[in-house]
Amino acid sequence: KNQVEQSPQSLIILEGKNCTLQCNYTVSPFSNLRWYKQDTGRGPVSLTIMTFSENTKSNGRYTATLDADTKQSSLHITASQLSDSASYICVVTPYGGSQGNLIFGKGTKLSVKP
Amino acid sequence: GAGVSQTPSNKVTEKGKYVELRCDPISGHTALYWYRQSLGQGPEFLIYFQGTGAADDSGLPNDRFFAVRPEGSVSTLKIQRTERGDSAVYLCASSLNALPGWDTQYFGPGTRLTVL
Repeated sequence: KNQVEQSPQSLIILEGKNCTLQCNYTVSPFSNLRWYKQDTGRGPVSLTIMTFSENTKSNGRYTATLDADTKQSSLHITASQLSDSASYICVVTPYGGSQGNLIFGKGTKLSVKP
Repeated sequence: GAGVSQTPSNKVTEKGKYVELRCDPISGHTALYWYRQSLGQGPEFLIYFQGTGAADDSGLPNDRFFAVRPEGSVSTLKIQRTERGDSAVYLCASSLNALPGWDTQYFGPGTRLTVL
């Protein structure tokens, strides 16, 4: 069964610190992997998208990495800010799949404290 | 419009009632998607439209759920004979086209449905 597992489930860090969120997937083959940020009470917002051939993609203080051999992705947040408090969701698109086949992780809930 | 909007933001209903949830996509976006998100879970795909037609409705859980997009813009998700298990946040998203998994989807804030 295609799955996307994220860890940790939740994380608390101090403002200014860095953190790394993990995404392990079993979807194979796949077309792309995307990270979303979802603020409480809001819809998800796309942060990065990577194809299977890409290793890293940055968006400001967010850097996503992808290792297609080990089927792992990570999202690294640098110099965290209070506004980074949100859930971060990893989504994998199976190769040749339709919209209905997108595999969503359950997300990591990040809390940044002052 | 500036973004995807959804109404109502909150809906409380009684078991067995009928509800309609509305989504206004970004102007010009041909693809529209509905998801359901339970607490602590990622979004779960329900259905997506390309224009007026439902291109993939494989995520609808049963025949109590139905969605329409008659003019290729606004969409309505309809739930008949609601059950307590239908309680969730219903998210709508739109994208310029509908390249599966490639187009960036822009999400609305969701409608929180509570079935008592």
